[in-house]
Amino acid sequence: GAGVSQTPSNKVTEKGKYVELRCDPISGHTALYWYRQSLGQGPEFLIYFQGTGAADDSGLPNDRFFAVRPEGSVSTLKIQRTERGDSAVYLCASSLGNRDTQYFGPGTRLTVL
Amino acid sequence: AQSVTQLGSHVSVSEGALVLLRCNYSSSVPPYLFWYVQYPNQGLQLLLKYTSAATLVKGINGFEAEFKKSETSFHLTKPSAHMSDAAEYFCAAGAGSYQLTFGKGTKLSVIP
Repeated sequence: GAGVSQTPSNKVTEKGKYVELRCDPISGHTALYWYRQSLGQGPEFLIYFQGTGAADDSGLPNDRFFAVRPEGSVSTLKIQRTERGDSAVYLCASSLGNRDTQYFGPGTRLTVL
Repeated sequence: AQSVTQLGSHVSVSEGALVLLRCNYSSSVPPYLFWYVQYPNQGLQLLLKYTSAATLVKGINGFEAEFKKSETSFHLTKPSAHMSDAAEYFCAAGAGSYQLTFGKGTKLSVIP
């Protein structure tokens, strides 16, 4: 079956611009996660959704970052007033339930010039 | 807070040699432990996971890992390296909940 997909695969933007990153989880997975992977680092947790609600957004670095999952399936990570330090690969994962194996998408590489 | 340490950011082995990638976790409670592999321009793929059922866990592609509580370790091994094993490997821990904490990764090179 189809895995987790993320679009776009690459995004280049200018400092100060707004970006949206999309994640399509595996069908039927109720839990969805966003991670950020900076160069030379492992992924770092950003936010976790159970269904439509953000159950834990403690990893979001500041209020420029926001994520939604309005229908409990597709999720969008939104970054306002992008900064060069936001450049990273943003990974999305989904799992059947919140303690099940997380399956990762290929990521979106964000570059802020 | 949970932390995961991977010793060696880069490991090189000859084709056919033993692969050993080290991972230590810090947790007062034995966590769920995972090894993921990441090929260039691809997402993380689960190799294996430990969930307390057995201390020796077998995964895909001939990899296995042993959970050692006394050493707080979960090292990844493969008896004989193959060229296709060249990738970056990440150890991760989850303390029974959803949030995974990852190590910084170990890049494995396989020399023909």
